[in-house]
Amino acid sequence: QKEVEQNSGPLSVPEGAIASLNCTYSDRVSQSFFWYRQYSGKSPELIMSIYSNGDKEDGRFTAQLNKASQYVSLLIRDSQPSDSATYLCAVNPYSTLTFGKGTMLLVSP
Amino acid sequence: DGGITQSPKYLFRKEGQNVTLSCEQNLNHDAMYWYRQDPGQGLRLIYYSQIVNDFQKGDIAEGYSVSREKKESFPLTVTSAQKNPTAFYLCASKASGELFFGEGSRLTVL
Repeated sequence: QKEVEQNSGPLSVPEGAIASLNCTYSDRVSQSFFWYRQYSGKSPELIMSIYSNGDKEDGRFTAQLNKASQYVSLLIRDSQPSDSATYLCAVNPYSTLTFGKGTMLLVSP
Repeated sequence: DGGITQSPKYLFRKEGQNVTLSCEQNLNHDAMYWYRQDPGQGLRLIYYSQIVNDFQKGDIAEGYSVSREKKESFPLTVTSAQKNPTAFYLCASKASGELFFGEGSRLTVL
């Protein structure tokens, strides 16, 4: 059974802080990893993809992947109230994506 | 403008009625997907298609049907056999491993 686990939250951080979102997955053959942001009532939006071990940075976002530990994380630097959303982790071991249930992030002004 | 268009955005249905959700993409992607999302839940895969005239069941296909007669189109029919059809339905297409979503269709059964 393919599983992607995330802490449901909410994760509350003050504006300007670093938000750290975590995800673990069970299928060792997984090769592609994604982070989506979903605002309430809207569809998910892809914000980061990562395929190899290590860090990948894009603006205020950094994705970190550790395949040995089956762990992927997303760091959001200088968090803004507009970052308040649910963040979905997705893993692609085969031809389909398996999603976690998401972590709600709340950034307070 | 390239993208994925879902319609209708909101739909109300009486129990016992079938309803078809439309999904059209002009991104020239081969693979298309239907997911369902319930409040506080993750996305669950209903059906997917990697090529025209071929599709596979996902994790929760019972009570749903699809067709893929054209590359651009992947409609989903929610049949009366689906016990709990009220949900947010998301269509997506894939390029280079990355999945892109339409705006979704919210179905409510009265």
